[in-house]
Amino acid sequence: RKEVEQDPGPFNVPEGATVAFNCTYSNSASQSFFWYRQDCRKEPKLLMSVYSSGNEDGRFTAQLNRASQYISLLIRDSKLSDSATYLCVVNRARSGGGADGLTFGKGTHLIIQP
Amino acid sequence: GAVVSQHPSWVICKSGTSVKIECRSLDFQATTMFWYRQFPKQSLMLMATSNEGSKATYEQGVEKDKFLINHASLTLSTLTVTSAHPEDSSFYICSAREGVDQPQHFGDGTRLSIL
Repeated sequence: RKEVEQDPGPFNVPEGATVAFNCTYSNSASQSFFWYRQDCRKEPKLLMSVYSSGNEDGRFTAQLNRASQYISLLIRDSKLSDSATYLCVVNRARSGGGADGLTFGKGTHLIIQP
Repeated sequence: GAVVSQHPSWVICKSGTSVKIECRSLDFQATTMFWYRQFPKQSLMLMATSNEGSKATYEQGVEKDKFLINHASLTLSTLTVTSAHPEDSSFYICSAREGVDQPQHFGDGTRLSIL
């Protein structure tokens, strides 16, 4: 099982629609969770952190289910500028002071159509 | 927000050349910096983790003698690809974070093409 799995898409949705992305992770000891956005041939940019209680930032809502090891992102009233690849990112658990770092999903490609 | 600057943005050079990439945190002190690599249509893969003043910790399969990492200050880390070959051509991205469990902020990335 991959460490972080996402549906690669592409998701083609009309402008104004609501779209949801899902992600599962394999390491139950993972501690921090994020959604990043990556535009074509650009670096990833942090979209939002994901908290157990769920959190919202404008049109974006993120949810975390630790029991199911599942993360979601909901985008409401989608805009053309939302077209990008959305990366589900998990901060690997640290053990014995060893290396840590982010584990990225392959990303879900979103295309918003006018 | 936090800014991480990476330089150069792209490099084209001959096989056998060594290439140095710089990563700077401009408005915060980065206790930890990370180096990632992304091949086309693949996810970012962590290469190494670097803590200021310490030796870098490399991921399995990443040759530490080929990818030299230096993190001499809280605002600068460098990655040197030694004797680069065409298979090293990739998008190299650094990130930096201020503290444990803080989000990582990414540099613009460096596109490396080895001919």
